[in-house]
Amino acid sequence: AQSVTQPDIHITVSEGASLELRCNYSYGATPYLFWYVQSPGQGLQLLLKYFSGDTLVQGIKGFEAEFKRSQSSFNLRKPSVHWSDAAEYFCAVGLNNNDMRFGAGTRLTVKP
Amino acid sequence: DVKVTQSSRYLVKRTGEKVFLECVQDMDHENMFWYRQDPGLGLRLIYFSYDVKMKEKGDIPEGYSVSREKKERFSLILESASTNQTSMYLCASSLVRQPQHFGDGTRLSIL
Repeated sequence: AQSVTQPDIHITVSEGASLELRCNYSYGATPYLFWYVQSPGQGLQLLLKYFSGDTLVQGIKGFEAEFKRSQSSFNLRKPSVHWSDAAEYFCAVGLNNNDMRFGAGTRLTVKP
Repeated sequence: DVKVTQSSRYLVKRTGEKVFLECVQDMDHENMFWYRQDPGLGLRLIYFSYDVKMKEKGDIPEGYSVSREKKERFSLILESASTNQTSMYLCASSLVRQPQHFGDGTRLSIL
């Protein structure tokens, strides 16, 4: 069955430090992959997507993610975190029937 | 800009009531989705629709039904609300095989 795993429930980083959020997926075919961010009380906003081609994708707000087929991973990175990045982050895999599966989310706290 | 609007941000209902959650999108998207979001469980798909009057069950359809009479509107119905349906409900829409766009959510409490 298709699944998405985000191993880290909660991560705390200092402002200005680098960030990596992990995502692993289980899916038989080549997946469509996404990262979304959710601020408190809001819906989900798309950060970036991978459909095919270059395995390093750039998104909004300075985020990037790298697709590694051999590791079934799609980790999200940012070189320098800002206090406004504190939010919950969701990795998702898109299925051929237009459906999507989401990970359980990683909550990011940013220390001053 | 893309806009998905959910009719209520907060809603309080009583056990046994019939509850309607409404979602409207203005992007002419074919696909529309209803999720519930609970802490530690991420988003779980309740139902989705890929065309007017079409619907497909998601992972947790029990206790819910949906209606899509017009392309822009997708309604979630709790036939007889129960306390275990207290949750955040998120609506989304998309073009075929494109990213989903989300509304701001409805926080529903069933007393």
